[in-house]
Amino acid sequence: AQKITQTQPGMFVQEKEAVTLDCTYDTSDQSYGLFWYKQPSSGEMIFLIYQGSYDEQNATEGRYSLNFQKARKSANLVISASQLGDSAMYFCAMRERRDDKIIFGKGTRLHILP
Amino acid sequence: DAGVIQSPRHEVTEMGQEVTLRCKPISGHNSLFWYRQTMMRGLELLIYFNNNVPIDDSGMPEDRFSAKMPNASFSTLKIQPSEPRDSAVYFCASSFFGGEADTQYFGPGTRLTVL
Repeated sequence: AQKITQTQPGMFVQEKEAVTLDCTYDTSDQSYGLFWYKQPSSGEMIFLIYQGSYDEQNATEGRYSLNFQKARKSANLVISASQLGDSAMYFCAMRERRDDKIIFGKGTRLHILP
Repeated sequence: DAGVIQSPRHEVTEMGQEVTLRCKPISGHNSLFWYRQTMMRGLELLIYFNNNVPIDDSGMPEDRFSAKMPNASFSTLKIQPSEPRDSAVYFCASSFFGGEADTQYFGPGTRLTVL
């Protein structure tokens, strides 16, 4: 079974609109961490945001926020006021506390339209 | 501060040749990861080290691949002999294991083409 599921292989969004990228995860651990990375066409992997399983508040970093719904095992990334530069592949990832490895989803390719 | 440094950024080689990829992790980080990314298979973890010791190499595809971490500031991934199917982008990432988030920070990657 997949540990990280990103159901949207591709999305097209109008510039300045808000975007929600879906991510669900599967773990039996009580302690885990969730991450989002951005990979633009230039290829680098850029860390965006982190959410710990015990964090009560949703994580925010500038225009990025993580909509964490623990009971649903959901960790959606929300990008407010999208910009052309947000066009990229976005990966959701999880680390279970017993491990140092991060498990990545297959990614969602986001296209921002002018 | 310098991020993760990888070299070379691009490598083109012929089948059968030895390829060595290099990585310098972020100073102070104690975990290092090697990934491979292809269109077909996505992002795959090949091996990771903690305190210079290999912890999990179950992702290494076969004996042609080997990785070393002789000290805290340097790691290599070697492919010998290389094959066309090894063509991919190879990323190195590092993290501080034991911190709150243990966030992995990635290097820029090495784009390997095996002809």
